[in-house]
Amino acid sequence: GENVEQHPSTLSVQEGDSAVIKCTYSDSASNYFPWYKQELGKGPQLIIDIRSNVGEKKDQRIAVTLNKTAKHFSLHITETQPEDSAIYFCAAMAYKYIFGTGTRLKVLA
Amino acid sequence: NAGVTQTPKFRVLKTGQSMTLLCAQDMNHEYMYWYRQDPGMGLRLIHYSVGEGTTAKGEVPDGYNVSRLKKQNFLLGLESAAPSQTSVYFCASSHSIVGNQPQHFGDGTRLSIL
Repeated sequence: GENVEQHPSTLSVQEGDSAVIKCTYSDSASNYFPWYKQELGKGPQLIIDIRSNVGEKKDQRIAVTLNKTAKHFSLHITETQPEDSAIYFCAAMAYKYIFGTGTRLKVLA
Repeated sequence: NAGVTQTPKFRVLKTGQSMTLLCAQDMNHEYMYWYRQDPGMGLRLIHYSVGEGTTAKGEVPDGYNVSRLKKQNFLLGLESAAPSQTSVYFCASSHSIVGNQPQHFGDGTRLSIL
């Protein structure tokens, strides 16, 4: 069946460094790719999304890239700060949402 | 604007007890979802609804029932709780599937079954 693989499962970076999280999807009909941030004790919150007719999207320190041929998309966070520490989920949507298993990002001060 | 509200936030049950988790959204969304989140397994879809009066099974529906009597509310029921249902439960809603709309999540219900 359809699935989304997300790597790495945990990621530690020094404050100010960049962080990259990668996802690969299986359903070639997927055309919408949101990213969610989940802080401790909270529900996932949408931080950025990209649609299949776009290769890259940027919002301040956060960017997402999409390679439809390879069926993978990535989240890039630059100049990381301690408040970026959270769990990040990717998702791919064709006719339903399929979520990745999450990446726990720790930004070390 | 409250968004998606889940009640209760925490609950401890004994095996065999029943309970209902309530989800309410004030965004006039058509679609609503129930997920469970377990360590290392991400979000798994339990049941979902595409509109008032409709429900459908997701990835892990066994042991759960749902109802959508009003558009703004989506109830998740556990008829006979089991320790394997210890988890964090999230409700979400979205405007529609068409147009690729994001899901909006509540802050979860942390449920422990002893």
